[in-house]
Amino acid sequence: QLQLQESGPGLVKSSETLSLTCTVSGGSISNSNYFWSWIRQPPGEGLEWIATIYYTGKTYYTPSLKSRVTISVDTSKNQFSLKLNSLTATDTAVYYCARHPSGSGFDIWGQGTMVTVSS
Amino acid sequence: QTVVTQEPSLSVSPGGTVTFTCGLRSGSVSSSAYPSWYQQTPGQAPRPLIHNTNSRSSGVSDRFSGSILGNKAALTITGAQADDESEYHCVLYMGSGLWMFGGGTKLTVL
Repeated sequence: QLQLQESGPGLVKSSETLSLTCTVSGGSISNSNYFWSWIRQPPGEGLEWIATIYYTGKTYYTPSLKSRVTISVDTSKNQFSLKLNSLTATDTAVYYCARHPSGSGFDIWGQGTMVTVSS
Repeated sequence: QTVVTQEPSLSVSPGGTVTFTCGLRSGSVSSSAYPSWYQQTPGQAPRPLIHNTNSRSSGVSDRFSGSILGNKAALTITGAQADDESEYHCVLYMGSGLWMFGGGTKLTVL
């Protein structure tokens, strides 16, 4: 079955740029029925949707982070990625990648990767 | 600013029934927001329970059901069990490709 796996640095410095990759296995990221997203959860807090991408490259961003976030897709590698710049301590969180079918919620999640922003 | 509302905490007795709600600070939730619900235990990724208001995800017990109650989406657990004690999250589709999660509800079974 389809699985998602996040990868990236666990520790990044304040003001720098975070780069995360989600590798899709057991299915194609180019499947026209699905969208691919990043979601984060600060310690002890709720979930926050960050961004979504379609395999064609169409992107959607949460307004509060739009100026600092870029989501991209590499169909040849079956991966999609997140870049978040100008990091502060408030960006410390578990970052999840997830899939959602068109017209439905997030049905498959990665295990998550903890990212700590240090000063 | 649009905010998705959830009860911060709820409690239920073993064998009892509990209902969580997912609303909007201003406005009503309808099925066109594709309300979805997730269960999360500490250190784990969210587990999908309900999508599109009332469709159970694969492998989810029929003790879990979703609906629209009044102007909110709702998740109901019947026959509560000890291992239902978790955090429950809802998410709504806000249109134009945008999604928003509620703050989550911590369920205690006691």
